[in-house]
Amino acid sequence: GQQVMQIPQYQHVQEGEDFTTYCNSSTTLSNIQWYKQRPGGHPVFLIQLVKSGEVKKQKRLTFQFGEAKKNSSLHITATQTTDVGTYFCAGGGYKLSFGAGTTVTVRA
Amino acid sequence: SAVISQKPSRDICQRGTSLTIQCQVDSQVTMMFWYRQQPGQSLTLIATANQGSEATYESGFVIDKFPISRPNLTFSTLTVSNMSPEDSSIYLCSVGLAGDSGANVLTFGAGSRLTVL
Repeated sequence: GQQVMQIPQYQHVQEGEDFTTYCNSSTTLSNIQWYKQRPGGHPVFLIQLVKSGEVKKQKRLTFQFGEAKKNSSLHITATQTTDVGTYFCAGGGYKLSFGAGTTVTVRA
Repeated sequence: SAVISQKPSRDICQRGTSLTIQCQVDSQVTMMFWYRQQPGQSLTLIATANQGSEATYESGFVIDKFPISRPNLTFSTLTVSNMSPEDSSIYLCSVGLAGDSGANVLTFGAGSRLTVL
């Protein structure tokens, strides 16, 4: 099945700084989704991107889908302690394949 | 989105025993899935729970080890059979609702954290 690769695995961020996590696929994706899992919690859907080159924003989070629909990124500006958790990208049709996740910790 | 109740939330089990996890959804849904999340790892799809027919298992997962029931459109169970310590994981029920492009957008239950001694 489709596989999505995600980097970095860990991201340690100073509060107030920006960071980006990346998701790559060897095949063209019909869509890419992003989920967030807080420590001890379950994954929660954040957003879905469908169109080539699509960019969507949710407050301090910016999601981008590559022109070739093989990669995606999540950029967080002015990181806050509430951003702590693991961010997963996922691609596929009716069965989603999840990336390994980027676990974010924040230094106050 | 759907609201999912999953139980038990956690359990400690003895090697060789079996445990059944229940997943109740507050509305009728076509797509229900069971995922496993090993400690510190990503989510791996175990199977698609099909209403009225046998579940569709992913590579590496078999019905004898993970029997699944789906008696109606709001309920499913996953049994982890003959458990070993390697089965210690979080098991997550999820439902898929069609989003843009026809792909499923998943809502997850809170998960069942199993520890096998």
